[in-house]
Amino acid sequence: GQNIDQPTEMTATEGAIVQINCTYQTSGFNGLFWYQQHAGEAPTFLSYNVLDGLEEKGRFSSFLSRSKGYSYLLLKELQMKDSASYLCAVRDTGGFKTIFGAGTRLFVKA
Amino acid sequence: DTGVSQNPRHKITKRGQNVTFRCDPISEHNRLYWYRQTLGQGPEFLTYFQNEAQLEKSRLLSDRFSAERPKGSFSTLEIQRTEQGDSAMYLCASTPKGAGVTDTQYFGPGTRLTVL
Repeated sequence: GQNIDQPTEMTATEGAIVQINCTYQTSGFNGLFWYQQHAGEAPTFLSYNVLDGLEEKGRFSSFLSRSKGYSYLLLKELQMKDSASYLCAVRDTGGFKTIFGAGTRLFVKA
Repeated sequence: DTGVSQNPRHKITKRGQNVTFRCDPISEHNRLYWYRQTLGQGPEFLTYFQNEAQLEKSRLLSDRFSAERPKGSFSTLEIQRTEQGDSAMYLCASTPKGAGVTDTQYFGPGTRLTVL
């Protein structure tokens, strides 16, 4: 079966660091994505990991461990505009079908 | 690029009616995806096209749903005999030719369907 788990909600303070975890159990694996989605808007791409390790892009970093079926998204120097849902998604092998988790709603408070 | 566009943005219909949505991907993007998203959930894969070929369709998609991309550019998603459970946001996404394995998807603003 296909299963992607993320915490439902998280709260953090402006300027702080937050880590959003994602665990997955999928029949195949051909890459893991993180997307950001503000309320009422479309998802936008943040990061992609296919090999184990850390990918850094500005204030955002994403980590992958394929053997553990685990990823996290790290957000540094949090800003109020980072309040959004963060979606973890896994691409299946043999094609381009992408399975999304339910998302983690992040609230950034002053 | 003007981005992925979807029309209409909102659709209210009565149960049992047919509805059709349109998606115009970013120019030169050859892969096109349809998703359904309900409140508090992530996008749920429905189907995807590479050019005009429909390569995969979710088993969750009943026979009431059909999608086309006749000329490999815009796509339509039709829902026949709508049910209240079809109420959701329908998202379209596209990826550029040559994106390879990264295949970053660019999402449109979605069509919000309400079935009364």
